[in-house]
Amino acid sequence: KNQVEQSPQSLIILEGKNCTLQCNYTVSPFSNLRWYKQDTGRGPVSLTIMTFSENTKSNGRYTATLDADTKQSSLHITASQLSDSASYICVVTLTSGTYKYIFGTGTRLKVLA
Amino acid sequence: EAGVAQSPRYKIIEKRQSVAFWCNPISGHATLYWYQQILGQGPKLLIQFQNNGVVDDSQLPKDRFSAERLKGVDSTLKIQPAKLEDSAVYLCASTPGRNLYYGYTFGSGTRLTVV
Repeated sequence: KNQVEQSPQSLIILEGKNCTLQCNYTVSPFSNLRWYKQDTGRGPVSLTIMTFSENTKSNGRYTATLDADTKQSSLHITASQLSDSASYICVVTLTSGTYKYIFGTGTRLKVLA
Repeated sequence: EAGVAQSPRYKIIEKRQSVAFWCNPISGHATLYWYQQILGQGPKLLIQFQNNGVVDDSQLPKDRFSAERLKGVDSTLKIQPAKLEDSAVYLCASTPGRNLYYGYTFGSGTRLTVV
């Protein structure tokens, strides 16, 4: 079954600290993996995209890694800011006949001052 | 480039009432999606349009939900009659085509509360 699991479900950290969010997937065949940031009351916004041949991708203080062998990805946030408080969703593109997004349930991050 | 526009932003209705949501995708985007996102969950695909044709509506509760995309541009999603479990954020997204490499552009969503 094509699934995307994320951990932790929620996370609270202090401003300035680093954190790492995890994504494990069983989607096959796999095209690419994206991390989205979803602010409360807003639609998701793409942070990074990686194909199976890419190991890492950075976008400012966000760095995503991908291990296609173990089917794991992580999103590392450096020097967190209050504005990083949001849900982070891992999305894997399934390419079986047609393209389809498989969404994780997200990690809710809260950054405290 | 203008983003995906959705309206209204918020809606509160009583159960058994009807409601409609509107989406205007990015100009030129052929593929349009409606998702339902229940609090604490990832988005669930309701329906996918390619131009004005339906590609996938396998998870659309057709007894109460309907959607159309006239002229392959704007789209509306309707719920009639609404149930309490329909309370969710309804997201619209669009892409240039069915190849998802370029990814979705999501609208801000419509938050529906059914009381």
